[in-house]
Amino acid sequence: EVQLVESGGGLVQPGGSLRLSCAASGITFSSYWMHWVRQAPGEGLVWVSRINPDGTNPVYADSVKGRFTISRDNAKNTLYLQMNSLRAEDTAVYYCAKLGAGGYWGQGTLVTVFS
Amino acid sequence: QSALTQPPSASGSPGQSVTISCTGTSSDVGGYKYVSWYQQHPGKAPKLMIYEVSNRPSGVPDRFSGSKSGNTASLTVSGLQAEDEADYYCCSFAGSKYVFGTGTKVTVL
Repeated sequence: EVQLVESGGGLVQPGGSLRLSCAASGITFSSYWMHWVRQAPGEGLVWVSRINPDGTNPVYADSVKGRFTISRDNAKNTLYLQMNSLRAEDTAVYYCAKLGAGGYWGQGTLVTVFS
Repeated sequence: QSALTQPPSASGSPGQSVTISCTGTSSDVGGYKYVSWYQQHPGKAPKLMIYEVSNRPSGVPDRFSGSKSGNTASLTVSGLQAEDEADYYCCSFAGSKYVFGTGTKVTVL
């Protein structure tokens, strides 16, 4: 059974940092592009970032570029999202996902940025 | 990157069909075959329903079908059932990035 399990969410003040993790099992993690997608309360899905199977060529949405860093450890089957300089508008449930064919999503982790 | 445009809502009675559109540009929907559709029930993670415009993953009922013409992709749900009531999102590859649609709430009357 494929599982993607996110962790690391929580409450943080504006300007603060958080590191999200996504532990994968049941898939050949090192073979796939992996993504972070977020959903603000009551809002739609928004793509945040992706990374190549070998950990190269990260790509970011304009809204997070320069503040967020995606990375992965294929030996640990884990995807990461380092989030710095957090803003109120970053408040959302963050999902890790394999998009497209054979797609899988985690259950998400809530990040709340408040002052 | 602007969100793909979907109608906010769609509805139909049980057994009827509903079609949801997803309009982008030649830089996303119109330029690639990598359009997918996701179903999301309240409080749940999204679920893949269609990938690469018209392909159904195993386990997804054949009542769900996808197509594309130009810069607009479509999802059709035939023979609506109560459990189809959910939010639906399209998603397209856009060169190096990805972009989601604005979402459509489907109501089964």
